[in-house]
Order: sequence, then structure tokens, then C-alpha cells
Amino acid sequence: DAGVIQSPRHEVTEMGQEVTLRCKPISGHDYLFWYRQTMMRGLELLIYFNNNVPIDDSGMPEDRFSAKMPNASFSTLKIQPSEPRDSAVYFCASSSSPNQPQHFGDGTRLSIL
Amino acid sequence: GQNIDQPTEMTATEGAIVQINCTYQTSGFNGLFWYQQHAGEAPTFLSYNVLDGLEEKGRFSSFLSRSKGYSYLLLKELQMKDSASYLCAARGTYKYIFGTGTRLKVLA
Repeated sequence: DAGVIQSPRHEVTEMGQEVTLRCKPISGHDYLFWYRQTMMRGLELLIYFNNNVPIDDSGMPEDRFSAKMPNASFSTLKIQPSEPRDSAVYFCASSSSPNQPQHFGDGTRLSIL
Repeated sequence: GQNIDQPTEMTATEGAIVQINCTYQTSGFNGLFWYQQHAGEAPTFLSYNVLDGLEEKGRFSSFLSRSKGYSYLLLKELQMKDSASYLCAARGTYKYIFGTGTRLKVLA
């Protein structure tokens, strides 16, 4: 079975540019999560969706960040404009219910110069 | 407030037993997860507790005390491949919060 698929795996771009991260959850999983991980702050939940509807976006750092889930098999996380402090590993995860484990994608390593 | 505390680093010897503690505060409580994360990789699920007590899965066990807001992960018969970060995560009413992780080094 395919796991959670994220793209790109690595992204290097200059500050001010728009960045779009993509995620395909495991088929049948109704919950999708976006996380950011840094050495300083650890793993932070940015936003999560249930049945394509955002449930909690209180972790989204600021208006420069936005996330969408247009259908059950695709989600995007956008940063516009990007800043060097956005450099981190961004993980997408999915689960079939809140009590089931989350399955993580391999992550996108983002570097903003 | 909502937060999770766990030790930053621990070191243990191959073959030994190690206990990684986690204390949490959440608004509402709907379960405690433990994940393992090797350097440069994604977290992978280890255990889930929602009721008080011990859950055993092979070499790994996880304990929960809801009244104390406390959990631990117990790793037995440590192997070199257990060197990783261990993340404690609590699910509140609508929120999930992760600890910053405990980096475990297993020495030969």
C-alpha cells in the first residue's frame, strides 16, 4: 500500500518567493495533518483537516501560510511570501480516525535563502 | 495552558532497559501517543494509550496515568537501532500537541 506521499522532497528558494508543498494522504484516511519541524521548536502542528474541512488552524504561524484540501486525496500548504525563518522540514500525515496512529510522509526539506 | 514535557536527551547501554517520561497538560484528553523518529526520517507510530495502565508491545511498553498527566515509554533489551528521538504527543478535545522529543543514544 502506498503511504503518505509528499512533494517535493527538497526545495531551495529565495526569500519572497511563493512555496507550495503538496500531500497525498493514504486512501480512506479522513484526517490530514500538516506539521513543521525544527531543531529549536520540535514538531509543531500547523493545521489539520477532517473530511477536507479545516478543524484546527491555530498553529498556522501567520497570514503568509495557507492550506487547502480541495478533495480527499490532495492537500497543499502555501507560503507567500517566504522568509528564511520558514526553513524547516514540513511533514504531512494522515489517519483514519483521531484514535488511530498518524502515518507520516517523508517530509519536504525547505530552505529559504 | 497546553504543553508537554519530556527529557531532552538520555543515554543507555545496549541490552539495558530505559524509561522515557512524559508529562502533559491539555484541554480535554483523548489519548497519548508515542512515536519514534530516526535522524533524517519521518516519525513512526509506537503506541497509543487512552486508559490508565500499561500497554505492552514486544520490547516496548507504554504507561499512562490520566490523573497525574503522566506517561512513560519503556524500552527493554536495548539495541543499537533504538538510537532515535522519541516523541510524546497528547490529543486534547480538538488539538494535538507534540513534545520536543527525547534523543536516546544507545551505546555498545
